[in-house]
Order: sequence, then C-alpha cells, then structure tokens
Amino acid sequence: DAGVTQSPTHLIKTRGQHVTLRCSPISGHKSVSWYQQVLGQGPQFIFQYYEKEERGRGNFPDRFSARQFPNYSSELNVNALLLGDSALYLCASSSTRVLSGGYGYTFGSGTRLTVV
Amino acid sequence: SQQGEEDPQALSIQEGENATMNCSYKTSINNLQWYRQNSGRGLVHLILIRSNEREKHSGRLRVTLDTSKKSSSLLITASRAADTASYFCATALNSGGYQKVTFGIGTKLQVIP
Repeated sequence: DAGVTQSPTHLIKTRGQHVTLRCSPISGHKSVSWYQQVLGQGPQFIFQYYEKEERGRGNFPDRFSARQFPNYSSELNVNALLLGDSALYLCASSSTRVLSGGYGYTFGSGTRLTVV
Repeated sequence: SQQGEEDPQALSIQEGENATMNCSYKTSINNLQWYRQNSGRGLVHLILIRSNEREKHSGRLRVTLDTSKKSSSLLITASRAADTASYFCATALNSGGYQKVTFGIGTKLQVIP
C-alpha cells in the first residue's frame, strides 16, 4: 500500500513566480493537512482539508491557497513567491478529521522549495 | 506560532544510554503526539497520548503527560545509532470544527555508536 506521496521532491523557483505542490494521501484517508517547515524549525500549520472542504487555516498570507479533489488528493498553491517561502512543504494525511484512537498523521517526504 | 517547546534543543548520548526529551505547552489540549524526523525528510508518528492518559509505552518508547504542568516527556531506552534524528512534540486541540495540530521546535538527538 502506497504511503503519502508528494510531488515534486525538489523545486527551484524565482521570486514572484507561482508554484503548485501536489499530495496524494494514503488510500482511504479523507483528511489532508499542509505544513511548512523552515530549516531548523518545527512544521507550521498551513491548511487542513477534510472531505474536500477547508476545515482549518493557519497564519499564512492569502498568497497561499489549497484545494482537495474528489479523490482526496490535494494541491497547495503559492503565488508571488518570496525568498522567505523557501522551506520543506509537508503533506500529512489521516483517515479522520480529528486525530484520536492512538493514530497520528502519516506524512509524505515533502517538497523542498527553494526561492532564488 | 509554535505551541510546544522541546527541551533540550540538542542532546548527544552514547549508544545504550537512555534519552529523555521534554515538551512544554501553553494551552489545553485533546492529545499530544511525538514524531521523529530524519535529516529533513517526512515526519514519522511515534506515539499519541490523550489528555486523560498519564503514561504510554510503545517498544523502547515511554511517554508521560502531566496536564497540570502542561508538559510531556519522551524517554527512549537503550538508544541505538539509528535513533539519531530530530524529535517533535505536537499538541492537538479541537477547535472550530477541526483539530489544530501544532508542532514544537524539536530536539535534535545524536546517538554516538
């Protein structure tokens, strides 16, 4: 059974450009959350989607947007890239909207975005 | 914003020793989780402890939770070189129809063979 897959694995973009990151959750998982991890820091929450609806949003500017498709895969879009957007972007999936019952998130390996 | 603060931020021990990492947080929680991350890759879930639990074990891992002190600890017994990684605590709070999961800044553990 495939885990959480993210694409691409690495990406280099120029300031001002737009980027789309993709995530496929574990089969049967309906919840996808996106996190940004800057080097040396812990992951910061960006969005949670459950059943194709946005359920939560972190403290990120409107340049960040996301959506979830009928097959529960998800895209994270970032417009007008800044140097400070350089980070590891992580996708996490879970079967339920709320973590409980001893199960945490399953993370993908991430997309390393470098903005130059 | 980071909810949890891990302590210490870095820890270096010899193989076979025990490693203890602490996590403090500020608000009430529904559960607390610990994750491991190897060299900037994806995080791996280790253990989840609910707010009404005080201790949980999984293999060589032991997690305690003290909600009155808003703190948790992760103990790794008989450490191995393969345990070298960053460890993060994450607090989960149900709010506004979803569960907000907030990660700390992590403890970098080095196990020397």
